[in-house]
This record gives sequence, structure tokens and C-alpha cells, in this order.
Amino acid sequence: TQLLEQSPQFLSIQEGENLTVYCNSSSVFSSLQWYRQEPGEGPVLLVTVVTGGEVKKLKRLTFQFGDARKDSSLHITAAQPGDTGLYLCAGGYGNKLVFGAGTILRVKS
Amino acid sequence: EAQVTQNPRYLITVTGKKLTVTCSQNMNHEYMSWYRQDPGLGLRQIYYSMNVEVTDKGDVPEGYKVSRKEKRNFPLILESPSPNQTSLYFCASSIQGSMADTQYFGPGTRLTVL
Repeated sequence: TQLLEQSPQFLSIQEGENLTVYCNSSSVFSSLQWYRQEPGEGPVLLVTVVTGGEVKKLKRLTFQFGDARKDSSLHITAAQPGDTGLYLCAGGYGNKLVFGAGTILRVKS
Repeated sequence: EAQVTQNPRYLITVTGKKLTVTCSQNMNHEYMSWYRQDPGLGLRQIYYSMNVEVTDKGDVPEGYKVSRKEKRNFPLILESPSPNQTSLYFCASSIQGSMADTQYFGPGTRLTVL
């Protein structure tokens, strides 16, 4: 059983569209991170959120941590082909980092 | 250049033949860990190390061993590989053991066990 459930699993959209990826759990996490992974490479950190209700923006990407620190979302505005990749959320749980299964995003031009 | 390196990048082996995947980081990080990535399951932690000579099991440790004799190196050992260990393996490091720290990942090792 995944401690962190990500949805959707796959997302294929046109350039310029907006999208939201969700990361949900019944557990409380001390922190929540979002990573992006491209084929043949390791994941690269996009953002870390640590406070319930926290919102962080990174250019066209907006990240939110739920008030109860059990869920998070990643919103991309005006997606571009360069946003294509695997997006992973990861929650801090004791001395471990627990990953969701990931969302494969494909942005078509 | 600050980085995590893994070797080999690709490995095809047979059941039962012992192998070691090396991992090295040049950032003086205290925390290192190993993950396996399988389709639909995301990244699952195999083992982690908070510092030299300190290692602990992750979520899927069966069939794997690790050691941390030096701060920079964290090899993953498969004493008797089996086909269900066919996977993509990642080593990662972070400055300390806080899960809010940035995890720096290596490029991955694709292992096939026949």
C-alpha cells in the first residue's frame, strides 16, 4: 500500500493548458517535497514545503501543502513541452523519505 | 562539480552471482540512501545511512546489504541476486538526516537479473 497516493498517474495535455497534480495521504508528514525526473536521470528537487497551508511559487509552478500536512498539490500554468517528465511527491516520515508512484506528464506542442 | 556517481550504469547478470553497485558523493553529506524504482510503485527506499558506520533498513531491504565505512561511499551489495531484483536503482545523498533537506540523486543503475 502506497503511503502517498498521487493522481493522476498519466496526464497528456496541449501546450498552454493548465494542470494540477495531487498527492494525498492519511498520514501526517513533517515535510513534503516535489521532484521532477527525466528519462535516464535521477529525480531533481523542485520545492520543499514544511508548514501546513504553505504555498510556494516557482515561475509557472505553484505548490501547496495542506493545512493538516497530509496532502499537497502541484499546479502548472500554461504548460510547455519542456515541462514533460515524471513528477514525484515525497513526504518526510521519521528518518525516511516516502515517495508517491509519480505522475507522468506529457505536454504536446 | 558537486555530484553523486554510481557504477555501473547498466548491468545484466544471472541469478545467484554476487554483485556490488558503488555510490560516491563529493559533497561531504552525512545522509545517504538507496532506492529502487519500479513502474507504478515509484521510488522505494532499500537502506539508508545517517553517518559513517550507521545504517538502517528502509522499506524493502530483503536481499540487499550496505556498508558505510567512509563518508563519501555507500555501496549496495546483492549477495545472491534474483529476477525480482531487476529494477532501476538510485543512490541519493543529503547534507544531514532531515527529510526537508534536498536529496541529490545519482544517475541510476539499471540492473537486469536473468
